[in-house]
Amino acid sequence: DGGITQSPKYLFRKEGQNVTLSCEQNLNHDAMYWYRQDPGQGLRLIYYSQIVNDFQKGDIAEGYSVSREKKESFPLTVTSAQKNPTAFYLCASSVDHGETQYFGPGTRLLVL
Amino acid sequence: AQTVTQSQPEMSVQEAETVTLSCTYDTSESDYYLFWYKQPPSRQMILVIRQEAYKQQNATENRFSVNFQKAAKSFSLKISDSQLGDAAMYFCAYRSAFPGGSEKLVFGKGTKLTVNP
Repeated sequence: DGGITQSPKYLFRKEGQNVTLSCEQNLNHDAMYWYRQDPGQGLRLIYYSQIVNDFQKGDIAEGYSVSREKKESFPLTVTSAQKNPTAFYLCASSVDHGETQYFGPGTRLLVL
Repeated sequence: AQTVTQSQPEMSVQEAETVTLSCTYDTSESDYYLFWYKQPPSRQMILVIRQEAYKQQNATENRFSVNFQKAAKSFSLKISDSQLGDAAMYFCAYRSAFPGGSEKLVFGKGTKLTVNP
């Protein structure tokens, strides 16, 4: 089945710890995105990538980092510099930057 | 910057009835895309319908249709013959179509739809 997978479903972070959220797609999409969702809010863009080895900051990139070494994968690292990381994180992809974005099932990040 | 406003935090509808969710947006661009996404309790965002601004014809997908009023910057979603599985948060979203423009989807804050049996 083609689709977008995210892991883990739930992730717990200790103070000062970096954690990495996985996003994989087998849709052969060029563009990939990371969004953050807080309670009662819509989604806000963290980072996006239009092509392998290239990515751009979104509206709330501070405290996050990404890589795009493979077309299929776009992992997000939440660093210790992100002071309020508790949120729901959604990964999306699209055929190219002009097309509809499709979303993965999300990862819930909680701080211990 | 573009903004999207959903003025109804919550709506309810009886099963088999019709409900309309409102969305307005603000932009100075002439070419863009508008979307409705559904987020059920599982929290996965599911595309419901998409509208290209240059198309005058309103998009439809089975029981879902939109009323796109470009001059009024309004993009409402009509759900006909509501089903229990339609219960979810619904998000309206905007995306620029300008080449080299912003990649991001700009989301409203959502409308929670309850379907009563």
